[in-house]
Amino acid sequence: KNQVEQSPQSLIILEGKNCTLQCNYTVSPFSNLRWYKQDTGRGPVSLTIMTFSENTKSNGRYTATLDADTKQSSLHITASQLSDSASYICVVSVPLRYALNFGKGTSLLVTP
Amino acid sequence: DVKVTQSSRYLVKRTGEKVFLECVQDMDHENMFWYRQDPGLGLRLIYFSYDVKMKEKGDIPEGYSVSREKKERFSLILESASTNQTSMYLCASSSLRLAGGYEQYFGPGTRLTVT
Repeated sequence: KNQVEQSPQSLIILEGKNCTLQCNYTVSPFSNLRWYKQDTGRGPVSLTIMTFSENTKSNGRYTATLDADTKQSSLHITASQLSDSASYICVVSVPLRYALNFGKGTSLLVTP
Repeated sequence: DVKVTQSSRYLVKRTGEKVFLECVQDMDHENMFWYRQDPGLGLRLIYFSYDVKMKEKGDIPEGYSVSREKKERFSLILESASTNQTSMYLCASSSLRLAGGYEQYFGPGTRLTVT
């Protein structure tokens, strides 16, 4: 069973609108949580990384939140742009281990 | 900026061929990783290396081998390519031995098609 679940699987929004992507995880113990953006045909690029003690982190129009008690994270995109169309991947890491736990991603399409 | 490069963006090979995928990073990172990414399955770890000549199996090592002779270079080898190895292959690198604490930097990917 995948230990990192993302929802929705896909999302279509109009340019200029806001949206929120969800990530629930069961990975334990927890080291940190990352959100990556992956454009079609390209490698993932890091947007944010949060440790256990952080509950909000922003990167421009992207704001990630983390609730370590409920093991939930969200990625909020404000005033979406066409260039936000991509797959967004939630990744959770465990202390002292190299392997990361990847969600399957949310595919976002921003339309004019 | 960290740069991870992969030798090819697109590759087409025939069943049974030996395939080499090369990855080079320019930030002196200790850790390097090979993943494959398939629709509906997300990224899956094939192999990783935490030092020169050191390697560890990931979740799906069958049918693959790796080589790390120099710190900056990590190669993925398909000894006898099969059609079920058609996929997007992503290389990544990270600093420090405890990779969980630091982010991984990904290359642009190689889309391999085996016919």
